[in-house]
Amino acid sequence: NAGVMQNPRHLVRRRGQEARLRCSPMKGHSHVYWYRQLPEEGLKFMVYLQKENIIDESGMPKERFSAEFPKEGPSILRIQQVVRGDSAAYFCASSPNRGYEQYFGPGTRLTVT
Amino acid sequence: QQPVQSPQAVILREGEDAVINCSSSKALYSVHWYRQKHGEAPVFLMILLKGGEQKGHDKISASFNEKKQQSSLYLTASQLSYSGTYFCGADTDKLIFGTGTRLQVFP
Repeated sequence: NAGVMQNPRHLVRRRGQEARLRCSPMKGHSHVYWYRQLPEEGLKFMVYLQKENIIDESGMPKERFSAEFPKEGPSILRIQQVVRGDSAAYFCASSPNRGYEQYFGPGTRLTVT
Repeated sequence: QQPVQSPQAVILREGEDAVINCSSSKALYSVHWYRQKHGEAPVFLMILLKGGEQKGHDKISASFNEKKQQSSLYLTASQLSYSGTYFCGADTDKLIFGTGTRLQVFP
């Protein structure tokens, strides 16, 4: 049973470009969460999605950031017009239901130059 | 809103014990505990539901006092593999992670 998969593992973007981060949850999990982690800091909640629905996006900046979890395919976190402050590790996690333990993917390390 | 963990850092010798505390200002449905090693993803340790239960996992156990909105993680007879940063996750209506406690175990 494959775990949570994220790709790419490392992503380098120049300021102003777009970044697309993908997350495939564990088999049987329909709840996906995205977190951002700055170096030497904790995990900051960004968004919680179920298939085709955004449940809670209170942690996501209102501009430039968007997330989706379509009926088919992985969840995608999209960052438009990236700035240096977007450089961070982005983790996604999945769970079989709300409130259950979350299993994390290996993360995508985004570097904005 | 972010749960506060204490201490911020702990240094242990193999075989010593440690307690990590997590305190929330909001009412909790449950508390999750995770460990993250440097450069890796967080790994789930355990979840504690309402009811003041205590759970154990090998030599790591935890308690949850819902009235005080606090949880504690107990590590006994620490091993080198216990090194990492421990995060509690406070489940209110979403999982908010605590400030983290860095644990280093030396031989």
